[in-house]
Amino acid sequence: KQEVTQIPAALSVPEGENLVLNCSFTDSAIYNLQWFRQDPGKGLTSLLLIQSSQREQTSGRLNASLDKSSGRSTLYIAASQPGDSATYLCAVQASGSRLTFGEGTQLTVNP
Amino acid sequence: EAGVAQSPRYKIIEKRQSVAFWCNPISGHATLYWYQQILGQGPKLLIQFQNNGVVDDSQLPKDRFSAERLKGVDSTLKIQPAKLEDSAVYLCASSLGAGSNYGYTFGSGTRLTVV
Repeated sequence: KQEVTQIPAALSVPEGENLVLNCSFTDSAIYNLQWFRQDPGKGLTSLLLIQSSQREQTSGRLNASLDKSSGRSTLYIAASQPGDSATYLCAVQASGSRLTFGEGTQLTVNP
Repeated sequence: EAGVAQSPRYKIIEKRQSVAFWCNPISGHATLYWYQQILGQGPKLLIQFQNNGVVDDSQLPKDRFSAERLKGVDSTLKIQPAKLEDSAVYLCASSLGAGSNYGYTFGSGTRLTVV
C-alpha cells in the first residue's frame, strides 16, 4: 500500500527566505508526482506535475525535483512571499488514476 | 473554461441524518472523482467514475455512502446515515481521461459538519 509522508507538518518563515518542502513515498512504482496548493476553504490548485521519467519541473519561483528510486521529492520555493502562505500537498499517482496524498505542509510566510 | 462546480459549500447535520452533495465537472471531462479530506489530513479517494461507470470504489464505505453519475456528467454523493466521523471536506475533481497524462481540476469542496 502506497504511503506518502510530508515533512515538516508546519513551517513559518520570514518573507524573502528560500525554503524546501519534503515528500517521501513508499512504493517507487509511480507514474507521476504532483504538488498542489490548498488555501483555506478552497479546493486544490495544481502547481507542478513531474512524470516518472523526469527529474524536475520548474514554474516561476517553484522548482520540484523527483528521485523515484529513493522515493523522494522536494518542492523549492525561492524568495518566499506572504501570498505563498497555504498548505502544500504532495500526491503520487500509481496504477489507474488514483492520487495518494500526503498530509500536507502548512506554510506561513511572515511579512 | 468554467471550473468544477460543487454545492452546497457548507452543510451542518445531526448524526443519523442523510445528506447529498452535488458536483458538475468541467465540460468534456470523462473522469470524475470524489475525495474526502478530514481536517489535518490529505484527501482520500472515495470513488472514481469513467463516464457513468464506476472504476474504483474500493475505499467507499458502501454501508452508508453511495454515489452516482447519471448520463456521465453531473454526480451526486450521498451519506445515509451520517456519523460524527464523516465530518470532512468532500472534494470533487475531474479530468479529461483516466491515466497519468491527464491533470486534475478540483472544485472548492463541500464542508460537512456532523453534530
